[in-house]
Amino acid sequence: EAGVAQSPRYKIIEKRQSVAFWCNPISGHATLYWYQQILGQGPKLLIQFQNNGVVDDSQLPKDRFSAERLKGVDSTLKIQPAKLEDSAVYLCASSPAGRDTDTQYFGPGTRLTVL
Amino acid sequence: AQSVTQLDSHVSVSEGTPVLLRCNYSSSYSPSLFWYVQHPNKGLQLLLKYTSAATLVKGINGFEAEFKKSETSFHLTKPSAHMSDAAEYFCVVRGVSYGGSQGNLIFGKGTKLSVKP
Repeated sequence: EAGVAQSPRYKIIEKRQSVAFWCNPISGHATLYWYQQILGQGPKLLIQFQNNGVVDDSQLPKDRFSAERLKGVDSTLKIQPAKLEDSAVYLCASSPAGRDTDTQYFGPGTRLTVL
Repeated sequence: AQSVTQLDSHVSVSEGTPVLLRCNYSSSYSPSLFWYVQHPNKGLQLLLKYTSAATLVKGINGFEAEFKKSETSFHLTKPSAHMSDAAEYFCVVRGVSYGGSQGNLIFGKGTKLSVKP
């Protein structure tokens, strides 16, 4: 079974530029998550999708971050404009539908550096 | 609010010696607790989970954790460390559920485990 795919793996941009990350979850997984992991900290949830609907985006900085999951499969996360403090690893994870969704499967992440 | 505190940011052991990674939790109700491992340049992987069944939980690669309500702890242990265990370990608690969906995962800051030959 293929795992969660993310691209690009690394991205370097200057502040005020925009950037987009892509995630393809495990086939058949209804729930998709985006996390932000700042160096030295644990991942923090940004947004959770159930199929193509948003379940939780309470920690997403909506003035600059946006995410979509068209057709309930892959997803993109965008930052516009980027700030220095956005430097982090952005992780995508997926889990199957239903109540027993304790196991989340994580992709390798995209490391973003904002200069 | 749910939270976890990992008491050590870095633990170093020798190969073949026991591993103890400490985690305390805070929860207003019976929590769901997890340990995840993150190897360099690899995705996070679930090691084990506690969801109010047996208090001693066995996971992959010989790891286990014991839920102790009286101590609000969920420490991760392994009898004998292997070089391949070197990684970062995260203690995780599930947040409050609402809107018909399960609560999200709340991660600790992580403990980096080093294994010396």
